Amino acid sequence: GQSLEQPSEVTAVEGAIVQINCTYQTSGFYGLSWYQQHDGGAPTFLSYNALDGLEETGRFSSFLSRSDSYGYLLLQELQMKDSASYFCAVRAYGGATNKLIFGTGTLLAVQP
Amino acid sequence: DAGITQSPRHKVTETGTPVTLRCHQTENHRYMYWYRQDPGHGLRLIHYSYGVKDTDKGEVSDGYSVSRSKTEDFLLTLESATSSQTSVYFCAISDSRGENEQFFGPGTRLTVL
Repeated sequence: GQSLEQPSEVTAVEGAIVQINCTYQTSGFYGLSWYQQHDGGAPTFLSYNALDGLEETGRFSSFLSRSDSYGYLLLQELQMKDSASYFCAVRAYGGATNKLIFGTGTLLAVQP
Repeated sequence: DAGITQSPRHKVTETGTPVTLRCHQTENHRYMYWYRQDPGHGLRLIHYSYGVKDTDKGEVSDGYSVSRSKTEDFLLTLESATSSQTSVYFCAISDSRGENEQFFGPGTRLTVL
């Protein structure tokens, strides 16, 4: 089977750095994605890692270690607007398309 | 933003009634997906489509059927709605084999009484 684990909640203060971890078990792994979802909104894509290492996009970075089946999302210079749920998703082979299997999400609360 | 709309945005129905949700895209993307989102479960794939009239099951497909008669529309049907199908339903599209990014619609909140 396929499964992903991430913390259910994380709290941090404005201006700080926070790391959201994701561990996965899957077959046919191709890459790890991260999505952000504000309350009541649609998920939006943040980053994708196909290879080991760190990918940086502005204040957000994502890391992958394929040998450890582990990745994380790093958010720097936290802002109030970063309060949202963050989902890791594994791109796993599935039939005619590569499907995404999502984790259950981490609710990030940024406090002033 | 990718052009994806879902209709209706909200629906309340009764157990045993048929329900059809529509996803419409203006991006001409090949791949379309239906997810449901429930507390504690994240996003779970119901069905997906990899082309017109080409569909396949996801991880929670029981009780759902889909159809895609043209590129821009992907319909999700609950033949006989049950209370366990109360959820928020998201449609998503991608222009590749889902490699890097899926674009999500605004969601449909369905309540089955």
